[in-house]
Amino acid sequence: EAGVAQSPRYKIIEKRQSVAFWCNPISGHATLYWYQQILGQGPKLLIQFQNNGVVDDSQLPKDRFSAERLKGVDSTLKIQPAKLEDSAVYLCASSLGTGGRNSPLHFGNGTRLTVT
Amino acid sequence: DQQVKQNSPSLSVQEGRISILNCDYTNSMFDYFLWYKKYPAEGPTFLISISSIKDKNEDGRFTVFLNKSAKHLSLHIVPSQPGDSAVYFCAASEGFLGSGTYKYIFGTGTRLKVLA
Repeated sequence: EAGVAQSPRYKIIEKRQSVAFWCNPISGHATLYWYQQILGQGPKLLIQFQNNGVVDDSQLPKDRFSAERLKGVDSTLKIQPAKLEDSAVYLCASSLGTGGRNSPLHFGNGTRLTVT
Repeated sequence: DQQVKQNSPSLSVQEGRISILNCDYTNSMFDYFLWYKKYPAEGPTFLISISSIKDKNEDGRFTVFLNKSAKHLSLHIVPSQPGDSAVYFCAASEGFLGSGTYKYIFGTGTRLKVLA
């Protein structure tokens, strides 16, 4: 089975610029997650979709971050405008069901964002 | 408020010996726990999980132990191999009341180095 695909792998932008990340989850996976991982920290959930509906976006900085999951498959995460503290690895993950027992997360390789 | 804690940022173990990675949590509503392994420049890979109704789960060289009264879980790797050198994250899952979906909260990770 093909894994979670993310692009780009790396992105360098200046502060106040905008950037977008793309994720294609494993086929058939209903739930999609975007995590932010700052160096030396664990992944932090930004937003969680079930099919194309948002389940949790409580930790998404909505003044600058937005995400969508059209048709319940691919997803994009956008930052506009970027700040220095947004430098991190952005991980996309998906799970077959709604999570919980027997439904672990499967991660993509992430996008490393550097804001200068 | 860090609900999932990995208090050891790093661990070094000789090849062939046992590696023990620890994780503590504070939320008694967590009912599913997972361990992920992460190599540099890759996304976390699911390793093993345990439900709150069990106290042990074993898969080959990897065993996870759960002590609910102490809110503590540990991952044992026996015997340790150089290829096990990676960052290990524990994660805990909690269901959203009434929605049927789950959220995953990650610890900060422990870097394991297995010495040949």
